[in-house]
Amino acid sequence: GENVEQHPSTLSVQEGDSAVIKCTYSDSASNYFPWYKQELGKGPQLIIDIRSNVGEKKDQRIAVTLNKTAKHFSLHITETQPEDSAVYFCAASQETSGSRLTFGEGTQLTVNP
Amino acid sequence: ETGVTQSPTHLIKTRGQQVTLRCSSQSGHNTVSWYQQALGQGPQFIFQYYREEENGRGNFPPRFSGLQFPNYSSELNVNALELDDSALYLCASSLGLEVETQYFGPGTRLLVL
Repeated sequence: GENVEQHPSTLSVQEGDSAVIKCTYSDSASNYFPWYKQELGKGPQLIIDIRSNVGEKKDQRIAVTLNKTAKHFSLHITETQPEDSAVYFCAASQETSGSRLTFGEGTQLTVNP
Repeated sequence: ETGVTQSPTHLIKTRGQQVTLRCSSQSGHNTVSWYQQALGQGPQFIFQYYREEENGRGNFPPRFSGLQFPNYSSELNVNALELDDSALYLCASSLGLEVETQYFGPGTRLLVL
């Protein structure tokens, strides 16, 4: 089955700096890669996703890049703000498994004011 | 807010008991997936329901069972509770079996003593 590894497990940045979180996946058939933000006591919230026919996608301060050959994808947050502090999860899925998501272990992002 | 609701929000049970968790999917969504999230880890796929039929199951024993109703709401039942079943149980709804965005509810926190 699919295996997703996520790094780093914790990330601390100063307000205004950029943050980068990286994930690798094992199954070359995976073709959908969402990123979720989870705040304390809440369920995961989708922040951006990318499909395998696209190399990069951007939404305001958030961008995701995908390298299918190397089987890795990354989340980039620019101009970080204290409200960006949360746990971020990457995930992967493939059409043949329906919409079953395999998640990474999460990154605790702390943005210091 | 995603429109996915779960009940109850918190639950305390003792080892050996049975529990039923409930999920109402987002309006128009016919697919519900259940995930278990242990403390400090990423969510793990339990199973998925599409139009009242189970469509895929993760690595969980048969004492984890589910149900989906004609209105697409869903239940997760766990029999013979074990201490390791203590976790946040998340449901996510999506539109169909194709690789589609999944929207998560706030989760039910289960503590087994």
